[in-house]
Amino acid sequence: QLQLQESGPGLVKPSETLSLTCSVSGGSISSRGYYWGWVRQPPGKGLEWIGSLYYSGRTDYNPSLKSRVTISGDTSKNQFSLKLHSVTAADTAVYYCARVRPAWDSDYWGQGTLVTVPS
Amino acid sequence: EIVLTQSPGSLSLSPGDRATLSCRASQNINSGFLVWYQQKPGQAPRLLIYGTSSRASDTPDRFSGSGSGTDFTLTISRLEPEDFAVYYCQHYGNSPLFTFGPGTKVDIK
Repeated sequence: QLQLQESGPGLVKPSETLSLTCSVSGGSISSRGYYWGWVRQPPGKGLEWIGSLYYSGRTDYNPSLKSRVTISGDTSKNQFSLKLHSVTAADTAVYYCARVRPAWDSDYWGQGTLVTVPS
Repeated sequence: EIVLTQSPGSLSLSPGDRATLSCRASQNINSGFLVWYQQKPGQAPRLLIYGTSSRASDTPDRFSGSGSGTDFTLTISRLEPEDFAVYYCQHYGNSPLFTFGPGTKVDIK
């Protein structure tokens, strides 16, 4: 059974960098054909795709966040990471990591982690 | 950029009722790339339907998806107590790669 688990600081100061890691067990981030992505959800609001890492190492980012986002993978640890630079209070959200299947849907999700950026 | 609009924003129904949720795209989309998720409070989204009409492995058959072009529908034939949740449609496209609709909340009347 595939499992994903987000980890990282729950509080980030304005203008600093939000850093989260998604640890994957029960499967490999190098599995052919899969994307590994980040989605966020501000409190009481909807879902927003942040970006994804393809098994090959290619990345795709939401244009609205592209200038501030870096997603990378560490195959030796079977983890992938999110860095969001220059955060503001608007970046306060629950951040989820997820696996994206070749059918372009996300079948496994982490439980989510709340990151707060005080105003 | 394709924008997804979901209607209604919320729906108050009773257990046993039929629920019909709409997802409309701002332009024609490939039905193979339209997905529905269910999200309960404090939980991650859960995959329900992919490719417009294919149920995920653990999705009960009271859930069905349909549609083409710009109009897509998620139908819950008879609401069970565990079905009261928020439902999101999602599209895989070009830029951005994934787009979510704003969600429809189904709550108990």
